[in-house]
Amino acid sequence: DGGITQSPKYLFRKEGQNVTLSCEQNLNHDAMYWYRQDPGQGLRLIYYSQIVNDFQKGDIAEGYSVSREKKESFPLTVTSAQKNPTAFYLCASSFPGRQETQYFGPGTRLLVL
Amino acid sequence: AQSVAQPEDQVNVAEGNPLTVKCTYSVSGNPYLFWYVQYPNRGLQFLLKYITGDNLVKGSYGFEAEFNKSQTSFHLKKPSALVSDSALYFCAVRSLLFSGTYKYIFGTGTRLKVLA
Repeated sequence: DGGITQSPKYLFRKEGQNVTLSCEQNLNHDAMYWYRQDPGQGLRLIYYSQIVNDFQKGDIAEGYSVSREKKESFPLTVTSAQKNPTAFYLCASSFPGRQETQYFGPGTRLLVL
Repeated sequence: AQSVAQPEDQVNVAEGNPLTVKCTYSVSGNPYLFWYVQYPNRGLQFLLKYITGDNLVKGSYGFEAEFNKSQTSFHLKKPSALVSDSALYFCAVRSLLFSGTYKYIFGTGTRLKVLA
């Protein structure tokens, strides 16, 4: 899992609650990404950030928000507007550039109570 | 539209036999292709990538992949499977976004089961 940490490992959300997933990297990577993994659907991109203080929506951004105030950190908030949040969430990072490899954290499993 | 397809949801192979996990792609321009492996409740681990050069790419844990431009394929292979190779395997292609940045497009994954 390299130098990317995600916390917590498991997270429980009550209906109507916002929850925040942490992602930290010490690889000095500029780019960071959030993916959602559901069985049989592979990975889907939620948000990505190429540099500090800038981020872009991915393919399934509705119901999620992010911030990128520091190069090392890219937290994801799952808001109450996300009606089906149960999934495995993966954070990744890379250097910019087409040839660069993306490295992943260990993931956070979000469950709804 | 750029895409990656993994046509098999699951591949079963006996320990010691060669294994192949298939991947085909559709991209504009030169493809940059990757293979990752995921063990249960873990993040994805990088196995290998094709950027340019030799069509046969060697990676971690004895895996290799063959890039075939005419068939738009990038199949993952290993000469002799181990029970510990049992996992979920993802093929991915690096895609250029309109904004000038890049993202990965992942296949839906292939579950490999190596039987003792």
